[in-house]
Amino acid sequence: SQQGEEDPQALSIQEGENATMNCSYKTSINNLQWYRQNSGRGLVHLILIRSNEREKHSGRLRVTLDTSKKSSSLLITASRAADTASYFCALTGFQKLVFGTGTRLLVSP
Amino acid sequence: DAGITQSPRYKITETGRQVTLMCHQTWSHSYMFWYRQDLGHGLRLIYYSAAADITDKGEVPDGYVVSRSKTENFPLTLESATRSQTSVYFCASRKTYQGTSNTGELFFGEGSRLTVL
Repeated sequence: SQQGEEDPQALSIQEGENATMNCSYKTSINNLQWYRQNSGRGLVHLILIRSNEREKHSGRLRVTLDTSKKSSSLLITASRAADTASYFCALTGFQKLVFGTGTRLLVSP
Repeated sequence: DAGITQSPRYKITETGRQVTLMCHQTWSHSYMFWYRQDLGHGLRLIYYSAAADITDKGEVPDGYVVSRSKTENFPLTLESATRSQTSVYFCASRKTYQGTSNTGELFFGEGSRLTVL
């Protein structure tokens, strides 16, 4: 299967702490994207990292990609209660995106 | 307003009935997608379309039919609904890849929650 697998499935932290979630996959990819989903809403794109990139930053987000290990990580620094959501990695092939099963993040005040 | 809209947002139907979920986008994006989201499975691709009159199967197409006569619309039809099709359905769109300037970002609708009794 092309599907990415996120780890952990659920993560509970306190405000101000960092949150790290990982995505592992098995196939070759063009790029890898991370999305966020608030409860009951659609997914929102966070960041894209290309297969020839190793690290990318966007605000409090830091994404790494290790194509040799076929894995990516999303780090959210100084988390806030508003970061509470599910986070998904998505593998980009030729035309379509295949999503992982997601990590549920709970940030407590 | 510009964006991608799905209708209905909530639908309850009975086994064996035909149901159509609508998706409309105002950006003239080439690509459109239908996903279903179920606990434990994440999002699974049902069908996608690269342009009007071009559609292709995704990971879980059985029991679903799509059409795309106009670029902006991509309806999903359950010809004879089954309980296993109870799910939240998401429509998404994106531009055609244009070198490195296009991120390939998907834009999602708010979802259609379907319950099949």
